[in-house]
Amino acid sequence: EDQVTQSPEALRLQEGESSSLNCSYTVSGLRGLFWYRQDPGKGPEFLFTLYSAGEEKEKERLKATLTKKESFLHITAPKPEDSATYLCAVDDDKIIFGKGTRLHILP
Amino acid sequence: SAVISQKPSRDICQRGTSLTIQCQVDSQVTMMFWYRQQPGQSLTLIATANQGSEATYESGFVIDKFPISRPNLTFSTLTVSNMSPEDSSIYLCSVHLILGGYEKLFFGSGTQLSVL
Repeated sequence: EDQVTQSPEALRLQEGESSSLNCSYTVSGLRGLFWYRQDPGKGPEFLFTLYSAGEEKEKERLKATLTKKESFLHITAPKPEDSATYLCAVDDDKIIFGKGTRLHILP
Repeated sequence: SAVISQKPSRDICQRGTSLTIQCQVDSQVTMMFWYRQQPGQSLTLIATANQGSEATYESGFVIDKFPISRPNLTFSTLTVSNMSPEDSSIYLCSVHLILGGYEKLFFGSGTQLSVL
């Protein structure tokens, strides 16, 4: 069965404390992996698409990387405004979402 | 990018009633997607809405419960019929676009539904 697992479920960091979120997947044929940010009461906001192992994408304090089995979302020197739920999804003919990581950055 | 307007943003409904959610996109798209996001759960695809044909439903979702309209290439509605408290959830519409060679999924702001 195709699965997408995100860890940790929740993460609290001090402002400036860098860390990484993990998205591991088991799908028969990966066509793309997506990262989203979701704020409370809002729809997911697109961050990155990754297609192949070794690919990296960056946007401000965020960097997404991809291997054959997992993806990481690295957050460098986070700020309180980075607090949100981060969702990972994979395209295996169908889009499968993970449950997300709730990130809270303390000032 | 795509701008997706979804309404209502939230509603509180009585058991047994129905609610229709509207989704308007600022560009023409072939397929629109409807998702459900239950508390603490991942997004689950309900159905794919194609213009000019019946929607395609995922396992566990049926047309009688979630009828969908797709009258043109920029608009779709999802109705949640004969609601029960178990239908309390966030409902989201989505489109897929290829921009700069990359597939991107864009979402509406969501409809927070509470059923009493």
